[in-house]
Amino acid sequence: ETGVTQTPRHLVMGMTNKKSLKCEQHLGHNAMYWYKQSAKKPLELMFVYNFKEQTENNSVPSRFSPECPNSSHLFLHLHTLQPEDSALYLCASSQEAAGGLLNEQFFGPGTRLTVL
Amino acid sequence: AQTVTQSQPEMSVQEAETVTLSCTYDTSESDYYLFWYKQPPSRQMILVIRQEAYKQQNATENRFSVNFQKAAKSFSLKISDSQLGDAAMYFCAYYGANSKLTFGKGITLSVRP
Repeated sequence: ETGVTQTPRHLVMGMTNKKSLKCEQHLGHNAMYWYKQSAKKPLELMFVYNFKEQTENNSVPSRFSPECPNSSHLFLHLHTLQPEDSALYLCASSQEAAGGLLNEQFFGPGTRLTVL
Repeated sequence: AQTVTQSQPEMSVQEAETVTLSCTYDTSESDYYLFWYKQPPSRQMILVIRQEAYKQQNATENRFSVNFQKAAKSFSLKISDSQLGDAAMYFCAYYGANSKLTFGKGITLSVRP
């Protein structure tokens, strides 16, 4: 596997279910991200992990819970979601360097989530 | 806070022709980066081109080039010799001092054979 992979690619769940989205990057990067992509809206940054530490949480509801056990893996745990949470959830990774040097974010294919 | 505006939701271009996708942004910063990302149907988002704000020269990548107007806060993408594989959603994005990518709503580009 190369690049950024995400599983599952499609997920349908009820509002009372608990599920997890998985992201894995094979690029040796040290930063990982979760984005939410809804139709006709800009991508929304949800969480950022840098060197496995969460550095950003953009006021995301607590029904979304991220986990970053190591620099290669990122999870998004879901519970008691709402229908409006249906969206494409994208994972990305990048190599963050000191001095503010910017490196490209590489995206996974996304998980298409439908909440019934 | 920075905002990125892509006012055109859809555009269409004839194969082999040239198309320009527009993007404007709002910021008070002087140092930042701008990006165009491409998201083909059911495929991964990939970086098309990037521009550092301190560089006056417009970035180019093969058939893709940008028209960066810093004073006007405009960052348009020109695709020359359009190909069927260029059909996708294109997102303009801004990266500034807050170390976050801010995306526009995207534009769907279709290519007519």
